[in-house]
Amino acid sequence: GESVGLHLPTLSVQEGDNSIINCAYSNSASDYFIWYKQESGKGPQFIIDIRSNMDKRQGQRVTVLLNKTVKHLSLQIAATQPGDSAVYFCAESNQGGKLIFGQGTELSVKP
Amino acid sequence: NAGVMQNPRHLVRRRGQEARLRCSPMKGHSHVYWYRQLPEEGLKFMVYLQKENIIDESGMPKERFSAEFPKEGPSILRIQQVVRGDSAAYFCASSERTEQETQYFGPGTRLLVL
Repeated sequence: GESVGLHLPTLSVQEGDNSIINCAYSNSASDYFIWYKQESGKGPQFIIDIRSNMDKRQGQRVTVLLNKTVKHLSLQIAATQPGDSAVYFCAESNQGGKLIFGQGTELSVKP
Repeated sequence: NAGVMQNPRHLVRRRGQEARLRCSPMKGHSHVYWYRQLPEEGLKFMVYLQKENIIDESGMPKERFSAEFPKEGPSILRIQQVVRGDSAAYFCASSERTEQETQYFGPGTRLLVL
């Protein structure tokens, strides 16, 4: 069946360090991937997305890497700040509209 | 440009009552998606709608749950005869055109069934 999972449920980093959040997916037919950030009591906030014809995409302080060979997705956050503390979800889609979400990784940034 | 709007933000119902959750997509967006999130879990897809059409309802429970997106007005997720297991956060998302467009989420409705 389809599944999207995260390797680490929690991640604690020092302010200013880089963060890497990993995600594995099982559906090789998935062709669109998104990272969301969710703060307590709020809805998921779009961070960055990538399509399967790319292996890397950069945004402001964030980079998403896609390795289709091993079905792995990662989110890199540069110079992590306290405001980055949240739960991060990866999600995949296969031309069907619906997103399949992973369980989430909680990122905690220590000042 | 206002984001996705959902109301109410919090809803308390007793077992057996009906819950109605509303979602207004972003301006210009004609695709609406509903997801449910249980505590400490990720979001689970429920239903995908376009104006006046249900495109994919594969995540909807077979009974008590229904959704609509009329030509005018917000999308409605309706839960009849609520049970305690329906307690969750319900999120609506919208996208502009095709299924592969970015989905933007609303703040959610937190349903508590007593």
